Amino acid sequence: EIVLTQSPGTLSLSPGERATLSCRASQSVGSNFLAWYQQKPGQAPRLLIFGASSRATDIPDRFTGSGSGTDFTLTISRVEPEDFALYYCQLCGTSAYTFGQGTKLEIK
Amino acid sequence: EVKLVDSGGGLVQPGGSLRLSCTASEFSVNKYYMNWVRQSPGKGLECVSVIDYTGGTFYADSVKGRFTISRDSVSNTLFLQMNSLRAEDTAVYYCARGSPGGMSYNNRMDVWGHGTTVTVSS
Repeated sequence: EIVLTQSPGTLSLSPGERATLSCRASQSVGSNFLAWYQQKPGQAPRLLIFGASSRATDIPDRFTGSGSGTDFTLTISRVEPEDFALYYCQLCGTSAYTFGQGTKLEIK
Repeated sequence: EVKLVDSGGGLVQPGGSLRLSCTASEFSVNKYYMNWVRQSPGKGLECVSVIDYTGGTFYADSVKGRFTISRDSVSNTLFLQMNSLRAEDTAVYYCARGSPGGMSYNNRMDVWGHGTTVTVSS
């Protein structure tokens, strides 16, 4: 079973700063199968990125996904107040649907 | 508006059963991969079951043999039949739309229901 490990556990930033969230897989995964989600308290997750780098519908271009193999990154170029939330990466594809444990982006 | 409305959660005793429903609007559940994802209190996300457009299914090891995913084209509804429930099944259950049918893999969950809460307790 492939395990996804996200780091850091908590990221404290001020609005306007750049956020870099990491997702590391325990073995190489196809880029087609890596997705990122945002979740706010009391809400369902929201798809941000699929296929490692494809932005979902209506997702602002300050969100960028990158990476391949075992190392993937979600970058928020300039954090907006509404971006403070939990972020999960997911291996989503052929018979494997593992989520990472999440990174909390909090206001510094 | 493309949306999912999930329902059917509640309080059930250990060993009991529950059936969750998820009704889709503005798209057909038969033409997409469809997913059930759960989130235990204070914990992360777990994909428990998937059905593809051919009817093929996936189950997490934690629910295999106890949960059954299905869909009905007439009512455009996805179901999750949960039997032999355990305390560790307590969670908010979300249905989510996956990739369009015709794709050889299910690599996204782009529309989510609001979630329905299942509590397993005596």
